[in-house]
Amino acid sequence: GIQVEQSPPDLILQEGANSTLRCNFSDSVNNLQWFHQNPWGQLINLFYIPSGTKQNGRLSATTVATERYSLLYISSSQTTDSGVYFCAVDHHMIKAAGNKLTFGGGTRVLVKP
Amino acid sequence: KAGVTQTPRYLIKTRGQQVTLSCSPISGHRSVSWYQQTPGQGLQFLFEYFSETQRNKGNFPGRFSGRQFSNSRSEMNVSTLELGDSALYLCASSAGGTTGNTIYFGEGSWLTVV
Repeated sequence: GIQVEQSPPDLILQEGANSTLRCNFSDSVNNLQWFHQNPWGQLINLFYIPSGTKQNGRLSATTVATERYSLLYISSSQTTDSGVYFCAVDHHMIKAAGNKLTFGGGTRVLVKP
Repeated sequence: KAGVTQTPRYLIKTRGQQVTLSCSPISGHRSVSWYQQTPGQGLQFLFEYFSETQRNKGNFPGRFSGRQFSNSRSEMNVSTLELGDSALYLCASSAGGTTGNTIYFGEGSWLTVV
């Protein structure tokens, strides 16, 4: 099956700092999403981004599908950005056959005041 | 628009028992999928239902089963619970059809097996 690797595994930031999280995947994908898992366990959808660049406030994401990686940028980080960030993909072989996300191991982010 | 709703949120079961978890998808969404999250294995796909049919299945034993009703609500069942089944169980919904739809998750059901 498809492999998804995220780096770094842990990230400690001072409030106000910028950071970049990376997601590498081993094969072509139809779907790539970034999620933020809050302390209560809920996965909050940040971006649906199988290719291209998107921005939402202080967060932005870029996926270079041909090179099989995606980046999540956090600018001017706040303590509320703390949590675990996951990248998840749907393998291209799943096309027309539904949703079956494969998750990376996550990046645990701690933003200190 | 209400989000994905999962019940119960927290539960404790004894080894050998069985458990049923419920998920109500976002209105209009026809695809419901289930995931298990544990500290050791991370987030793993269990199965996906679309229009009452199981469309995809992960690598879990037959003790894990699910179903979807005509109103798209879904249930998953775990029989003969083992200690290793302690996990956060997450339900997700999407508009369905083909892949490429944004997937939205519920708050999850925390299961502890003692």
